[in-house]
Amino acid sequence: DAGVIQSPRHEVTEMGQEVTLRCKPISGHNSLFWYRQTMMRGLELLIYFNNNVPIDDSGMPEDRFSAKMPNASFSTLKIQPSEPRDSAVYFCASTPGLAGVEQFFGPGTRLTVL
Amino acid sequence: EDQVTQSPEALRLQEGESSSLNCSYTVSGLRGLFWYRQDPGKGPEFLFTLYSAGEEKEKERLKATLTKKESFLHITAPKPEDSATYLCAVQAGRGYSTLTFGKGTMLLVSP
Repeated sequence: DAGVIQSPRHEVTEMGQEVTLRCKPISGHNSLFWYRQTMMRGLELLIYFNNNVPIDDSGMPEDRFSAKMPNASFSTLKIQPSEPRDSAVYFCASTPGLAGVEQFFGPGTRLTVL
Repeated sequence: EDQVTQSPEALRLQEGESSSLNCSYTVSGLRGLFWYRQDPGKGPEFLFTLYSAGEEKEKERLKATLTKKESFLHITAPKPEDSATYLCAVQAGRGYSTLTFGKGTMLLVSP
């Protein structure tokens, strides 16, 4: 199994530009999570999907952030316009969707906004 | 609001020097407590899930225990390859499958 796949692994952009992060969950997993990790705040949940439907987006910091899951094998997290304070590592995770079951994380995308 | 506090923030051990990491939590209706290991530049890697007070799980040099208020990750005779950040997370009664993470303990084991 290839595990959770994220792209790109690194992204450097300038303030005001649009950024799109991509995630392919593990096949057969029906829940997908987007997290952001910083030194100051640790790992924070941004949004999660179940069966491609957004369930809770209360962690999305601002309207500049949006996420989609058009099918069971693909999700995107978009930031438009990007700001320097968005610099962080963004992780995608997936799970079979049962309570008490561990989440499997991707390798992350390190985003730097100049 | 669910809260998870890990201590210490950082820990330096000599190879073979056993110690414990702490994870204190405040949740409404614990469904599970998870331990993850994170190496630099990588995503968190699952280690254990504990479901009820008194439960223990072991994997090589690691043993996780759970009480009603906290969990410990005991590291016995650590090796340099155990160096990593260890994250604790809770899944509570409210919220479908969501995890609340602590900020982690950065462990460095010197040869």
